[in-house]
Amino acid sequence: QSALTQPASVSGSPGQSITISCTGTSSDVGGYNFVSWYQQHPGKAPKLMIYDVSNRPSGVSNRFSGSQSGNTASLSISGLQAEDEADYYCSSYASRSTFWVFGGGTKLTVL
Amino acid sequence: QLQLQESGPGLVKPSETLSLTCTVSGGSISSSSYYWGWIRQPPGKGLEWIGSIYYSGNTYYNPSLKSRVTISVDTSKNQFSLRLTFVTAADTAVYYCARARASDGDFFNWGQGTLVTVSS
Repeated sequence: QSALTQPASVSGSPGQSITISCTGTSSDVGGYNFVSWYQQHPGKAPKLMIYDVSNRPSGVSNRFSGSQSGNTASLSISGLQAEDEADYYCSSYASRSTFWVFGGGTKLTVL
Repeated sequence: QLQLQESGPGLVKPSETLSLTCTVSGGSISSSSYYWGWIRQPPGKGLEWIGSIYYSGNTYYNPSLKSRVTISVDTSKNQFSLRLTFVTAADTAVYYCARARASDGDFFNWGQGTLVTVSS
């Protein structure tokens, strides 16, 4: 059982927008501004897409955006493209004893 | 360009110790700006943070694995290592090494990962 809860799957058609949620508690997501999102294609290492809730690393498309409200963080992808089809994981800092936790992952299917 | 490469046995027997090394190139492991970490992913499942180490040797472990995990750093070789004792089939996973910013712990750089299977 993952510490952070994500939907198992989401889908959308090319050009559409989707949002993936990541629900935690006040001890992790809601307690710090340290939520990040990773994209993982099959057989590949994860890639950081969003850090510190809403910041994009250099080179990541501005179609990807992040936000947070209370204990829930969200990743939004606009203008869906076939290459966006992948697994997405959220992660959060979770105190000086637990440190870092991941969500269970969400499989994005581009129809 | 920073590169991380995991190395170690791909097969470990139950109850034995899993040992992996991550070799860092294109950057210094002694930088005060970063942590160095291990993350694993069982086949078909999600990511699990194992632990992280600072160049000074300060370590931070997942509480669920803390009793079995040791992470160490060798600044002379620009490497850091993972030891996981008393392994079982549940420890079968792809193991990734990664670099995180010290300011927020986000893993900006990852190795390609190495599959370790626990089986007799």
